[in-house]
Amino acid sequence: ETGVTQTPRHLVMGMTNKKSLKCEQHLGHNAMYWYKQSAKKPLELMFVYNFKEQTENNSVPSRFSPECPNSSHLFLHLHTLQPEDSALYLCASSRTDSGNTIYFGEGSWLTVV
Amino acid sequence: AQSVTQLGSHVSVSEGALVLLRCNYSSSVPPYLFWYVQYPNQGLQLLLKYTTGATLVKGINGFEAEFKKSETSFHLTKPSAHMSDAAEYFCAVGSNAGGTSYGKLTFGQGTILTVHP
Repeated sequence: ETGVTQTPRHLVMGMTNKKSLKCEQHLGHNAMYWYKQSAKKPLELMFVYNFKEQTENNSVPSRFSPECPNSSHLFLHLHTLQPEDSALYLCASSRTDSGNTIYFGEGSWLTVV
Repeated sequence: AQSVTQLGSHVSVSEGALVLLRCNYSSSVPPYLFWYVQYPNQGLQLLLKYTTGATLVKGINGFEAEFKKSETSFHLTKPSAHMSDAAEYFCAVGSNAGGTSYGKLTFGQGTILTVHP
């Protein structure tokens, strides 16, 4: 238990579906992140939020839409995805002091069919 | 700009043998360095990190790593491998440049460690 909880753990969706991934952190952190982990590729930072404000969008396609209603919750809304978007999506959180540890959730396995 | 290279996508050792996982980085600013471990079907768990100070860093489960600035390396070691160490290990570099640099880790491609009985 890392203090970062992701749901659902597994999701299968069609290319025309709309679904959302949810993340909640119980660590009192003020920064939250979405990372993407694909087979045979390094982890890729997708989005960064600091106190609900998006501070980084790493050239992510608009079919991925993040939402951060408060510093404890983070969503990733998914719409019109492609099969190549199938991956493990990892949520993480940290304080905003540089060098602070980033704590990861257990991830949401997404399969797009 | 930062980058991380993990030498060897797969490392295999016998139980009780030395574990050495190699990581080299590049960074235009003084780096923060991390090793994470990922067990099957789980997220990433921090093993250890280097920020400032002592260059030999001890982590959980008997692992340690040494920051060598001259070699731009941060290799992970454990004197005696255990079956439970089998997992994928990721080296990552972050920046201490301040501002919005927090959390922006650049990861290596990972090294899968296999431990044989």
